[in-house]
Amino acid sequence: DTAVSQTPKYLVTQMGNDKSIKCEQNLGHDTMYWYKQDSKKFLKIMFSYNNKELIINETVPNRFSPKSPDKAHLNLHINSLELGDSAVYFCASSQDGGLPYGYTFGSGTRLTVV
Amino acid sequence: QQQVKQSPQSLIVQKGGISIINCAYENTAFDYFPWYQQFPGKGPALLIAIRPDVSEKKEGRFTISFNKSAKQFSLHIMDSQPGDSATYFCAARPDDYKLSFGAGTTVTVRA
Repeated sequence: DTAVSQTPKYLVTQMGNDKSIKCEQNLGHDTMYWYKQDSKKFLKIMFSYNNKELIINETVPNRFSPKSPDKAHLNLHINSLELGDSAVYFCASSQDGGLPYGYTFGSGTRLTVV
Repeated sequence: QQQVKQSPQSLIVQKGGISIINCAYENTAFDYFPWYQQFPGKGPALLIAIRPDVSEKKEGRFTISFNKSAKQFSLHIMDSQPGDSATYFCAARPDDYKLSFGAGTTVTVRA
């Protein structure tokens, strides 16, 4: 009955590899997001999708490509991984821009690039 | 460029004490100010939120105070408990599909 689920929870990979993170929500929300949390815990938005359409791309390198096959899923594919991509990536969802019930976050995917 | 400035970075409080976290913003277009709580290994979870037409909102031991003219808002945790030990993030909404977060405050409640 998990509301926002991400897989995998941990991902360790070498520089230059390509990897994907999957996200699914069962809340019936119309908007999904990817956030990156760095080692200092700072949360920064990467992408917003509303009804499968890209709304916000927050100057993320084009090595990052989100894909939303339907309203309940938002996946993140990362090409040519770099050391600086190491972080925790959070998927989140909301209804109607987040008012009044806010965002529901997944538990995160810890990506380590070695 | 951080749109919401949060302080302190960390604080330690005794059980039963009051924890106070402050946030400041510049963009007057912000229309929604939530606070999120994050435990280690978990995603942030909405704790309490306020709109700019309200000066205070209380939910249990958690209170948001909002000062629109000063462009500041704060979270007060009354009667702090060890289970409140977590990282707290203030945030602000500049538009429908984005939340800008503060840098976070790690709160440690000593028993």
